[in-house]
Amino acid sequence: EDQVTQSPEALRLQEGESSSLNCSYTVSGLRGLFWYRQDPGKGPEFLFTLYSAGEEKEKERLKATLTKKESFLHITAPKPEDSATYLCAVSGSARQLTFGSGTQLTVLP
Amino acid sequence: KAGVTQTPRYLIKTRGQQVTLSCSPISGHRSVSWYQQTPGQGLQFLFEYFSETQRNKGNFPGRFSGRQFSNSRSEMNVSTLELGDSALYLCASSFGTLPQETQYFGPGTRLLVL
Repeated sequence: EDQVTQSPEALRLQEGESSSLNCSYTVSGLRGLFWYRQDPGKGPEFLFTLYSAGEEKEKERLKATLTKKESFLHITAPKPEDSATYLCAVSGSARQLTFGSGTQLTVLP
Repeated sequence: KAGVTQTPRYLIKTRGQQVTLSCSPISGHRSVSWYQQTPGQGLQFLFEYFSETQRNKGNFPGRFSGRQFSNSRSEMNVSTLELGDSALYLCASSFGTLPQETQYFGPGTRLLVL
C-alpha cells in the first residue's frame, strides 16, 4: 500500500525566513511525485511534478527536490501570500494518487 | 484555458437522500478523477474515468458511483447518504490517465449531510 508522510504538520515562519517541508513516501513503482498548494475552501493548485530521483524544479520562491525516499519543498524568503497548506502526493503501479496529510504553512509579516 | 468546474459548489442534504455532483474537465482533458477530502482522512481517491470507462476505484462503498459522458464531463452519485459523507468532493482532470499525468483540481463541492 502506498503511503505518504508529511512533516511538519504545521510551520510558522517570519517573512523572509527560509525553510523546507518534507514528504516521505513508500510506493510500488513510483511514476510521479506531485506537490500542490491548497488555500482554505479551495481545490488544490498544482505546483510541481517530479518523476525521478535527483530531479529538481523551481517556481518563484519554491523549489522541489526528489530522492528515492523523500521529497523536499524549499521555500526561500517566503511572503505572507505563501501561507497555505502544501500537499504531497505519489502515484505508482496502483494507478491512483495517494496524498499526505499536508503541511499548514503560516508566514507572518 | 478555463479550469475544472464543479457544480453545485455547496449542498445540504439529509441522511438517506442521494446526491449527484457534476464536473466539467479542462478542455481537451479526457481523464476525470474524484476525491473526497475530510479533516480526519485527508484527500482520498474515489475513482478515475477515461473515455467513459472507469479505470480505477478507491476503497469506498458501492454507494459511491460515477460515470463519464462522451464529452468527458463526469458525474458522481452518492446514494443513501450518511453523516460521515459530509466532505469536500474534488474533481481533477488530466490529458491522459494516471499514474504519470498531472491532475488539475476544481474548486470542489462542499456537501453537508444532516
